[in-house]
Amino acid sequence: SYVLTQPPSVSVAPGQTARITCGGNNIGSKSVHWYQQKPGQAPVLVVYDDSDRPSGIPERFSGSNSGNTATLTISRVEAGDEVDYYCQVWDSSSDRYVFGSGTKVTVL
Amino acid sequence: EVQLLESGGGLVQPGGSLRLSCAASGFSFSNYAMSWVRQAPGKGLEWVSVISGSGGSIYYADSVKGRFTISRDNSKNTLYLQMNSLRAEDTAVYFCAKVPAANRGYYFDYWGQGTLVTVSS
Repeated sequence: SYVLTQPPSVSVAPGQTARITCGGNNIGSKSVHWYQQKPGQAPVLVVYDDSDRPSGIPERFSGSNSGNTATLTISRVEAGDEVDYYCQVWDSSSDRYVFGSGTKVTVL
Repeated sequence: EVQLLESGGGLVQPGGSLRLSCAASGFSFSNYAMSWVRQAPGKGLEWVSVISGSGGSIYYADSVKGRFTISRDNSKNTLYLQMNSLRAEDTAVYFCAKVPAANRGYYFDYWGQGTLVTVSS
């Protein structure tokens, strides 16, 4: 089955840029989607189809995908960005949705 | 405004059954696939099952196949998850989520707030 690998945590100073990676075999050939989840709340889609943003999501959130790594970039990090982020793909070979293990962003 | 409201969670003994419901509003329900995603306490997201807009295509995660049944009633704008032979490892918050297309694939553009299922004796 397809596996997505995320770092458990990423630390960043306020105002700097956080980069969260999502690794998978030839993930560049798939569409990658990213969710933000605050404690006790439902996930919220922040990036879809590698780099598109839903309406209402700040431009500070951007995505890229190439080779074996997809990346969610959060610019000008704020205290409110200190939550969990998950990547997700649809694995057509197995007809399964796959989530990464999640990354907690810590704002120093 | 899209709204998804789950219900039916609770405490159940191992081996027991439970049926979750997800009432949808704010969009043309039958035109979109719907899914269940769960999250065990302190853990990450795990996809459970997806059903197409017509109900004709259904897929399950290996961890629940043969025990859980997803269904929908498009006349009532409601999604269901029948859970049988429940195990301790099924303890989780169960979210219903909308897919932005009639069939499987893509991503989840809207989520409910979730309902907690606890399997314990």
